[in-house]
Amino acid sequence: ETGVTQTPRHLVMGMTNKKSLKCEQHLGHNAMYWYKQSAKKPLELMFVYNFKEQTENNSVPSRFSPECPNSSHLFLHLHTLQPEDSALYLCASSQVGGENEQFFGPGTRLTVL
Amino acid sequence: AQSVSQHNHHVILSEAASLELGCNYSYGGTVNLFWYVQYPGQHLQLLLKYFSGDPLVKGIKGFEAEFIKSKFSFNLRKPSVQWSDTAEYFCAVNGGTGGFKTIFGAGTRLFVKA
Repeated sequence: ETGVTQTPRHLVMGMTNKKSLKCEQHLGHNAMYWYKQSAKKPLELMFVYNFKEQTENNSVPSRFSPECPNSSHLFLHLHTLQPEDSALYLCASSQVGGENEQFFGPGTRLTVL
Repeated sequence: AQSVSQHNHHVILSEAASLELGCNYSYGGTVNLFWYVQYPGQHLQLLLKYFSGDPLVKGIKGFEAEFIKSKFSFNLRKPSVQWSDTAEYFCAVNGGTGGFKTIFGAGTRLFVKA
């Protein structure tokens, strides 16, 4: 596999479920990101990890819990979500530094019932 | 806080027409500017970027963008679009008073009629 991969690609969950999204990058990058993409809204940055350390939490509700065990893997743990959390969740990676482009995965389409 | 405004949410053009998509950001200072594209069924990918030097930036597939600092703008252009340019285009900015958090615009959906 090359680039940035995300699993699962689609997820349907109830409001009381606990699930996790997984992201893996094969690019040797040292920064990873979670974004939320909702219809007709700008891409919303959720979390940033640089060298496995969280450097940004963009006021994300605690029902979303990120985990970055190493520079290649990023997880988003989900629990007691709301229907309005239904969206496409994108993972991205880059080299640390604002001038560096981000490489995106295909996303996980999440539906909360 | 930094914000990014893309003026057109939907654009429909015929093949060979010229394209210009507007992008403005709110806070100045030293910024890095990006255009990303998402073709149907594909990942978001970089089209072009500016971080220093010549304010006229060339990207892939004949796209270019011009950074005009005084206008806080980074408009995307292509002289002659093709059907294969049908996609969603996102402007993004980091730096300035927004720090290195990358802020994306809402996107512009371009449909090119064959």
